[in-house]
Amino acid sequence: DGGITQSPKYLFRKEGQNVTLSCEQNLNHDAMYWYRQDPGQGLRLIYYSQIVNDFQKGDIAEGYSVSREKKESFPLTVTSAQKNPTAFYLCASSLRQEHQPQHFGDGTRLSIL
Amino acid sequence: AQSVAQPEDQVNVAEGNPLTVKCTYSVSGNPYLFWYVQYPNRGLQFLLKYITGDNLVKGSYGFEAEFNKSQTSFHLKKPSALVSDSALYFCAVRDVKGNTPLVFGKGTRLSVIA
Repeated sequence: DGGITQSPKYLFRKEGQNVTLSCEQNLNHDAMYWYRQDPGQGLRLIYYSQIVNDFQKGDIAEGYSVSREKKESFPLTVTSAQKNPTAFYLCASSLRQEHQPQHFGDGTRLSIL
Repeated sequence: AQSVAQPEDQVNVAEGNPLTVKCTYSVSGNPYLFWYVQYPNRGLQFLLKYITGDNLVKGSYGFEAEFNKSQTSFHLKKPSALVSDSALYFCAVRDVKGNTPLVFGKGTRLSVIA
């Protein structure tokens, strides 16, 4: 069954700690995306990657980092520099053609201990 | 720059009545337009898209949307609402000539009351 898998579903971060959110897809999609969702603010783009070993900052990249070493994987690290990390994080992927829809994982909810 | 506006934070409708969720957009060229639905603690699910051609687009679960270029709108509609349609709905846009990710609206919460 093809899809996008995000793990873990729930994650807790301590002060000063970096945490990494996993995103894996088996849809053979070239492009992958990370969004942050806060109540009433919709989806805000953190980073995106259109090809392996390349990625671009989105609207709110500060305090986050990513890597794209494999086509299937696009992990997001929330660093200690992100002072307000509590949110619902969504990963998505798509074919590179602009008219193709994005497919989403079921998210990771990150909270501060 | 691309942008999307969903002017209503919340829409309430009685079961069996028609529903409309509004969306207006702004792009420099022609748009690709999308609607997504989100259930609690889940990711977004794709409902339908407009690329070109017929202004009325039909999608999943009986939803449809009408593209209106002069009003730069892409409202989501359904003739008869179900309680199970209650969810958060997002409109998204991408410029046809741009090589940029989708831009999403802030979402509209639909409540269908039995």
